[in-house]
Amino acid sequence: EAGVTQSPTHLIKTRGQQATLRCSPISGHTSVYWYQQALGLGLQFLLWYDEGEERNRGNFPPRFSGRQFPNYSSELNVNALELEDSALYLCASSLRGERDEQYFGPGTRLTVT
Amino acid sequence: AQKVTQAQTEISVVEKEDVTLDCVYETRDTTYYLFWYKQPPSGELVFLIRRNSFDEQNEISGRYSWNFQKSTSSFNFTITASQVVDSAVYFCALSEVRSGNTPLVFGKGTRLSVIA
Repeated sequence: EAGVTQSPTHLIKTRGQQATLRCSPISGHTSVYWYQQALGLGLQFLLWYDEGEERNRGNFPPRFSGRQFPNYSSELNVNALELEDSALYLCASSLRGERDEQYFGPGTRLTVT
Repeated sequence: AQKVTQAQTEISVVEKEDVTLDCVYETRDTTYYLFWYKQPPSGELVFLIRRNSFDEQNEISGRYSWNFQKSTSSFNFTITASQVVDSAVYFCALSEVRSGNTPLVFGKGTRLSVIA
């Protein structure tokens, strides 16, 4: 069974540009979570989607947004990129929300120059 | 507010030594879940264990064991006879159940280096 997949693996953008990151959950999983792992800051929760709706949002500015498609895949968009947005962005999926194990993808390394 | 503290930033051990990674959590909920994840150099987080707040029984899985003590709000992870392949960053995480929409809160991780 295929795990969580993310694309692209690496993304290099300049300050002020927009970045789009993609995630495909494990088949049958309806919840998708996005986390930011910046150097020295650990893993910070960004967004949670379930059944196409945003269920919860972490303490991030509105320029971080996303959506979940009918096939449960998800996009994370970051507008007006800033240097501190450089991080590893991890996507995870689960079956029924936070009670189940979250399975993580390999991440997208975003570098903002 | 929920919080997870992993006081050990980095640990270095020699192969075959036992090592314990500490995790202390804070929550006002009586019902919650605790997790451990492993992040090898490849970057992908690997799920290791989930424990709910009503199950204080310790668990052993091969060389891995977990000690959950509600009295001290700790959920420590021990690797017995460590191997080089155990080298990774290990994260402890907490999820509260009350609202149903609570995300995982992670500790800052402990980087374990096992030297041959």
